[in-house]
Amino acid sequence: DVKVTQSSRYLVKRTGEKVFLECVQDMDHENMFWYRQDPGLGLRLIYFSYDVKMKEKGDIPEGYSVSREKKERFSLILESASTNQTSMYLCASSLSQGGTGELFFGEGSRLTVL
Amino acid sequence: GEDVEQSLFLSVREGDSSVINCTYTDSSSTYLYWYKQEPGAGLQLLTYIFSNMDMKQDQRLTVLLNKKDKHLSLRIADTQTGDSAIYFCAESITGGFKTIFGAGTRLFVKA
Repeated sequence: DVKVTQSSRYLVKRTGEKVFLECVQDMDHENMFWYRQDPGLGLRLIYFSYDVKMKEKGDIPEGYSVSREKKERFSLILESASTNQTSMYLCASSLSQGGTGELFFGEGSRLTVL
Repeated sequence: GEDVEQSLFLSVREGDSSVINCTYTDSSSTYLYWYKQEPGAGLQLLTYIFSNMDMKQDQRLTVLLNKKDKHLSLRIADTQTGDSAIYFCAESITGGFKTIFGAGTRLFVKA
């Protein structure tokens, strides 16, 4: 069964702390994505990666960075967390070619910044 | 720019049909999708339609695509309480890595 695993389901951090959100996929997918989900706004793309060590900004990259050192792992980093980064973060992966563009999602990491 | 719009809430009685509507702006979309999100979970692909199709049926699900009006709909026949979830309409832009999501329609099914 295909799987995208996010390391933490729930996190509570303080303003200014550094936050790491980790995502691992076991499907050998080339593409990996980080979205944030907020009520009434749907999913907004933060960053994506189409290969190891490659990254591209999405629609809302400010305040975030990413790391992809291995094909199966894509990390989202909040260098200095702020209260407006309280949200649900969703990781996803997809095939690069030959597919329907289907995204496979993890279960999400709900981050609260106090 | 690219945009996907859908209403935020829909309430139906168990056994009735549900119709969730969506409009999108980018005519170069290759695939259009419906994803389902159950409480506390990530999104899961429910169904998709290729842009050169008008309709796709899969058991209780019927997807209709009106490319001229850029309108996509999802019909769920014989809606059950287990269908209560958030349904996201999404489009994939040809040649790119971006999937654009709507805000999601929360479906409430009353017993």
